[in-house]
Amino acid sequence: AQSVAQPEDQVNVAEGNPLTVKCTYSVSGNPYLFWYVQYPNRGLQFLLKYITGDNLVKGSYGFEAEFNKSQTSFHLKKPSALVSDSALYFCAVRSDQTGANNLFFGTGTRLTVIP
Amino acid sequence: GAGVSQSPSNKVTEKGKDVELRCDPISGHTALYWYRQSLGQGLEFLIYFQGNSAPDKSGLPSDRFSAERTGGSVSTLTIQRTQQEDSAVYLCASSSFGGGNQPQHFGDGTRLSIL
Repeated sequence: AQSVAQPEDQVNVAEGNPLTVKCTYSVSGNPYLFWYVQYPNRGLQFLLKYITGDNLVKGSYGFEAEFNKSQTSFHLKKPSALVSDSALYFCAVRSDQTGANNLFFGTGTRLTVIP
Repeated sequence: GAGVSQSPSNKVTEKGKDVELRCDPISGHTALYWYRQSLGQGLEFLIYFQGNSAPDKSGLPSDRFSAERTGGSVSTLTIQRTQQEDSAVYLCASSSFGGGNQPQHFGDGTRLSIL
């Protein structure tokens, strides 16, 4: 079975400080992992994905994420937060097994960057 | 168009009425997904279309929900005899093909309110 946990409903960080949004997953087979961001009254926007290879993945808007197989984690990070990063962030996982069509999403983490 | 287009953006209707929600995916994308996003929750998978294959309807919550995709492009999600618990944002996404490591591209959703 596939599932995603985002243990923090809310993360607050001061502008200019590094930010981390946590994600752990459970999947049969190997994972394909994704991060999405959602701004108010908008759909989800793709940020980055991990498929295979280098555990550190770089994505849009200066975000990166680190895949850790032993800890089954895929935490989202950014070295210096901007006020405009304030949004709702979703982690998602899909199995690499044939027939695994669906993305399983976490419940989201609301990031607030304080000026 | 450049992205996934959904209409209407907002829909308010009375309990018991039928509603139709429309999704126009990115041109050339063979995979199309419908999700439901309720307040404070993650995305709930509803249905998945891939090319001419039979759709994966495993996420539809009841037989009041149905969807079709005509000509492999535009999709319509229909909710019959709406109930107040159907109030949510309905998101559509498409990808270049189903499964695998392709990210999904989302529309801005239809916000459905049942009075």
